[in-house]
Amino acid sequence: DAKTTQPPSMDCAEGRAANLPCNHSTISGNEYVYWYRQIHSQGPQYIIHGLKNNETNEMASLIITEDRKSSTLILPHATLRDTAVYYCIVRVAKVLDAGNMLTFGGGTRLMVKP
Amino acid sequence: DAGVTQSPTHLIKTRGQQVTLRCSPISGHKSVSWYQQVLGQGPQFIFQYYEKEERGRGNFPDRFSARQFPNYSSELNVNALLLGDSALYLCASSFSGTTNTEAFFGQGTRLTVV
Repeated sequence: DAKTTQPPSMDCAEGRAANLPCNHSTISGNEYVYWYRQIHSQGPQYIIHGLKNNETNEMASLIITEDRKSSTLILPHATLRDTAVYYCIVRVAKVLDAGNMLTFGGGTRLMVKP
Repeated sequence: DAGVTQSPTHLIKTRGQQVTLRCSPISGHKSVSWYQQVLGQGPQFIFQYYEKEERGRGNFPDRFSARQFPNYSSELNVNALLLGDSALYLCASSFSGTTNTEAFFGQGTRLTVV
């Protein structure tokens, strides 16, 4: 799986949009971009994933550049409960892949401040 | 619906001892993976099991072993414990049979080796 690069930490004001960047310049055409987050002392939680189109769900939006070498996770209105470590993961989509064999990097520690 | 459940939540062992950690996946999920998360780092993949067979293994010594039972629950065993095995051990399950899917993590077992 392709390696990802994320800033180690970011701050965001409560109520503002949090934009978390991820670089995956060696991504292959059959690799998806996944985002998970880990709130302190809990297991990681799935947020969103995409292949090449922008994606949105109830938690966040995922913007993938046209060349697919980078992406941005957007939390539109960050709350204090969004304080967590956010992991960007690039994973090959294999036939019958169970989806739980993931390579985590260091992630971005997002601190949402009042 | 119950999520991924792990037991015990906390455990203290002495160097050289053996430990068994348990995981029950979400109902209907046939694949289980195990991760080790050392303080301050992202989770590291240990094993993936699908339909009771080992499908993936991370870079961990043979002291680590696992198995999956007919009901898809799983156990992780670690022999000859070292101080460096102190970590949060996470279990993840996912639905199988698709090319991309999300992983659901349990809350983890905090293992302390003294």
